[in-house]
Amino acid sequence: EAQVTQNPRYLITVTGKKLTVTCSQNMNHEYMSWYRQDPGLGLRQIYYSMNVEVTDKGDVPEGYKVSRKEKRNFPLILESPSPNQTSLYFCASRARGLAGSYEQYFGPGTRLTVT
Amino acid sequence: QQPVQSPQAVILREGEDAVINCSSSKALYSVHWYRQKHGEAPVFLMILLKGGEQKGHEKISASFNEKKQQSSLYLTASQLSYSGTYFCGTPYIKAAGNKLTFGGGTRVLVKP
Repeated sequence: EAQVTQNPRYLITVTGKKLTVTCSQNMNHEYMSWYRQDPGLGLRQIYYSMNVEVTDKGDVPEGYKVSRKEKRNFPLILESPSPNQTSLYFCASRARGLAGSYEQYFGPGTRLTVT
Repeated sequence: QQPVQSPQAVILREGEDAVINCSSSKALYSVHWYRQKHGEAPVFLMILLKGGEQKGHEKISASFNEKKQQSSLYLTASQLSYSGTYFCGTPYIKAAGNKLTFGGGTRVLVKP
């Protein structure tokens, strides 16, 4: 089954404790992204990757890091989480092609709470 | 740069129609539509491309006016399963990889 998986699905942590949210896709997609979703603000892109070792900032990259060492994986790293990073996070992937021409597949989401 | 959706919320009775609009201040060459049910991930509905090409859902229709930089999603003869939050997404730069920007969403509730 074609899918994007994320782990963990739920995470409660404390300010400053480094954490990683993993994302993996089995569709051989080149493009992967991370979004955060907050009430009233919709989905905002954090980082995206066009291929292995190629990443770029989205609209709200502050406080986040990413890496793309393998095509299937795109982990999101919060080196020093703060309460304003409490949010619902989605990983997404799509096939290579003209931007906007191919549908995105979203992972199930990770609900992060930073106290 | 975020596309603007309207209305923010709509309540329907089963069988009624509704229109959700998405407008942009920048030129568009495609518009995406996704639906998200409570507690779930957004799910792809359709893509409308410049020139009239359309890919996606068979039962939900949409239009794309390139000149007006607008798209509309039509929920016709709504079903209970249409409830959820609808997002439009727009890529502003053709070659900028996967940079898709989403609107704030329209919450749709279909009642029996």
